[in-house]
Amino acid sequence: GESVGLHLPTLSVQEGDNSIINCAYSNSASDYFIWYKQESGKGPQFIIDIRSNMDKRQGQRVTVLLNKTVKHLSLQIAATQPGDSAVYFCAEGLTGTASKLTFGTGTRLQVTL
Amino acid sequence: GAVVSQHPSWVICKSGTSVKIECRSLDFQATTMFWYRQFPKQSLMLMATSNEGSKATYEQGVEKDKFLINHASLTLSTLTVTSAHPEDSSFYICSARDLSNEKLFFGSGTQLSVL
Repeated sequence: GESVGLHLPTLSVQEGDNSIINCAYSNSASDYFIWYKQESGKGPQFIIDIRSNMDKRQGQRVTVLLNKTVKHLSLQIAATQPGDSAVYFCAEGLTGTASKLTFGTGTRLQVTL
Repeated sequence: GAVVSQHPSWVICKSGTSVKIECRSLDFQATTMFWYRQFPKQSLMLMATSNEGSKATYEQGVEKDKFLINHASLTLSTLTVTSAHPEDSSFYICSARDLSNEKLFFGSGTQLSVL
């Protein structure tokens, strides 16, 4: 289940289960959203993005859902694997601002065997 | 995907010294690069936007004279932490925008520890 750590909320899932990571964004004018994965001591790694003219986009084992009405973004990971353990950040941006992004607080995903 | 190289990956320095961090886009040109700072268990905080051939744009609360940014070419931006103090210890991350697809790619980060 979910718990709130010192700064990062943590989601624990069993290997093979599906994971859902949620994010609330702040700027209703944002029209570009990205999910990043960050492993310890490394920079963020692009996972998937979505523009505001879509409400769903699928990649390999990942799906991003966008609900503009409530300013909510989610990342679904199918058949979660131990290698998926990391911190996941959502980021929002505005087309035409040279990719200046605002990052969410992040969620730590722990995959248990 | 595109590669952004950031060096050094970690650095330890004495208080009062200056440290330079390099960010290079290896296989694409980047007119715009970004510098972020990240404290443990926290999110990335944008410090400044680095523009090739012009002055960097700093976020509110970031000291320009403390964090010097130079973007002299389309593939290189540097961040110099001047007169470093222990409170400057942090994980610094750069990113670069690939003009061909407008996607943002991140460097591997630099862990700075100021003694």
